[in-house]
Amino acid sequence: EVQLVESGGGLIQPGGSLRLSCAASGFTVSSSYMTWVRQAPGKGLEWVSVIYAGGTTFHAESVQGRFIISRDNSKNTLYLQMNSLRAEDTAVYYCAKDQTSCGGDCYGFWGQGTLVTVSS
Amino acid sequence: DIQMTQSPSSLSASVGDRVTFTCQASQDINNYLNWYQQKPGKAPKLLIYDASNLETGVPSRFSGSGSGTDFTFTISSLQPEDIATYYCQQYENVPITFGQGTRLDIK
Repeated sequence: EVQLVESGGGLIQPGGSLRLSCAASGFTVSSSYMTWVRQAPGKGLEWVSVIYAGGTTFHAESVQGRFIISRDNSKNTLYLQMNSLRAEDTAVYYCAKDQTSCGGDCYGFWGQGTLVTVSS
Repeated sequence: DIQMTQSPSSLSASVGDRVTFTCQASQDINNYLNWYQQKPGKAPKLLIYDASNLETGVPSRFSGSGSGTDFTFTISSLQPEDIATYYCQQYENVPITFGQGTRLDIK
């Protein structure tokens, strides 16, 4: 059974750094398309970052140069390193995995989300 | 970036009603369009992928259609448990983009 469990969220001051983790089970992270999607309080879904099976990564313009998506194959875990955090980064962050019947970025498995609050 | 525009932004309907809403892309995205359902406090759930394919385990009252720039999502007979916000998402190009959502509730 596919499971994704996020951790690492919390309250952080503007300008600070945080690393989110997404521990995966039931599949191999390195063979999957893995993404981070966030949702600010009361707002819609916003794609943040993706890492493909081959290792290629992309980030949204709003986080480019501040956030880095990565994975640890030995731990079967996805990460999101978030630096220079801003108030507008406050959101629930979800990790998600592709659904393999689809041709690409169709996210059929999601974690429960972890809340990041950026505030002084 | 490809902009995804959903309409309406909110919709009220009665149990048993046929409900339809739309998603329009700012450029041709072929059929690289997914639909998600999100209930309050929960993660999104994939319902339809590649515009018209029903995800495994999703009730057959849900369906999707369209290609190019115009897409439609339909619930053939609204059930109380369908109350949620629905999002479309394109993956023709990075950045992946979502529509702003259609909030569905019971009249």
